[in-house]
Amino acid sequence: QITLKESGPTLVKPTQTLTLTCTFSGFSLSTNAVGVGWIRQPPGKALEWLAFIYWDDDKQYSPSLKSRLTITKDTSKNQVVLTMTNMDPVDTGTYFCAHGSGWLMDVWGKGTTVTVSS
Amino acid sequence: ENVLTQSPGTLSLSPGASASLSCRASQGVGNNYLAWYQQKPGQAPRLLIYNASSRATGIPDRFSGSGSGTDFTLTVSRLEPEDFAVYYCQQYATSPWTFGQGTKVELK
Repeated sequence: QITLKESGPTLVKPTQTLTLTCTFSGFSLSTNAVGVGWIRQPPGKALEWLAFIYWDDDKQYSPSLKSRLTITKDTSKNQVVLTMTNMDPVDTGTYFCAHGSGWLMDVWGKGTTVTVSS
Repeated sequence: ENVLTQSPGTLSLSPGASASLSCRASQGVGNNYLAWYQQKPGQAPRLLIYNASSRATGIPDRFSGSGSGTDFTLTVSRLEPEDFAVYYCQQYATSPWTFGQGTKVELK
């Protein structure tokens, strides 16, 4: 059974760096064609894809956020970490990680809520 | 990027009715790599359909997907009370992956 859980701060100040961790079980990020993606959702708004890391360390980023995002994996710990620099109140929302089967994000974590406020 | 436009924004229907949700892409979706997700308040999205027409594991057969190229449809037959939710389409053929803005299916 594949499960994922997001963790990180619930409150960050503007200009700070956000670090989120996705801890997963039921699969390995060293397996061919497996990946993990990050998606966010502002309150009451639509989903927005942020980043994806593939089993071979290939990384994809949203062009509009690429300069602020870094995605890394720790295969031994079954974790994927997303950092987002220079946080702004518009970055407030729920952040999800998801298992990628190929490029399809088929199993999602429950999400973690992040508020950006001074 | 491939912009996905969903219509209508809201569907007001009664239990037992059928829902037809549209997702139109600004560019062709390669290999029909188009997914549909259902999201209920306070929950994560749940994968319903992938590759435009394949049902995900455990999804009832009242959910069906169709379409190719730039025009895709999610049909929910015989709406059950638990089907009232927001539905998103998403393409995973080309980076950046993109989502539609969502269609809310609400109780009439």
